[in-house]
Amino acid sequence: EVQLVESGGGLVKPGGSLRLSCAVSGFTLSRFQMNWVRQAPGKGLEWVSSISSTSTYIYYAASVKGRFTISRDNGKNSLYLQMNSLRVEDSALYYCTSGGTFDFWGQGALVSVSS
Amino acid sequence: DIQVTQSPSLLSASVGDRLSITCRASQDIGTSLAWYQQLPGKAPKLLIYGASTLQTGVPSRFSGSGAGAEFTLTITSLQPEDFATYYCQQLYNYPRTFGQGTKVEIK
Repeated sequence: EVQLVESGGGLVKPGGSLRLSCAVSGFTLSRFQMNWVRQAPGKGLEWVSSISSTSTYIYYAASVKGRFTISRDNGKNSLYLQMNSLRVEDSALYYCTSGGTFDFWGQGALVSVSS
Repeated sequence: DIQVTQSPSLLSASVGDRLSITCRASQDIGTSLAWYQQLPGKAPKLLIYGASTLQTGVPSRFSGSGAGAEFTLTITSLQPEDFATYYCQQLYNYPRTFGQGTKVEIK
């Protein structure tokens, strides 16, 4: 059974940092592109970042470029999102998703940015 | 960036109805479009990719059509578990933009 489990969310002040992790099981992580998608409370889905299977290709939304860093450790079956210089508007539920067609999704990690 | 526009934003329907949701891209994206279903309080779930290919395990009452810049998600004979919010997403290039969502509510 495919499972993606996010962790690392929490409450942080504007300008602060958080690191999200996504532990995957049930499939071979090294074979797949991985992605982060976020959803602000009551709002729609926003693509955040994608990373290719070997980390060769990395893409970011303009809203997070230069502040967020996506990475992966295929040996540890894990995906990461380092979030720096956080803003109030970054508050959202952050989903880890697998594959080029976003086949499987975790349940999300809640990030709240507030003073 | 490719803009993706869904319509309608809200759709009221009854069990057994047939309904359609439209997604328009701001440029030709071939068939690089996916549809997702999000139940309240749950993570999104992939329904259709490649504009018309049903993801494994998705009921056959769901179908997708279209190519180029206009796409449609159709649900025949709406079931109680289908009341949810539906999103399209272009997978042609980056950023991977989503439509704003269509909420299907009980009439």
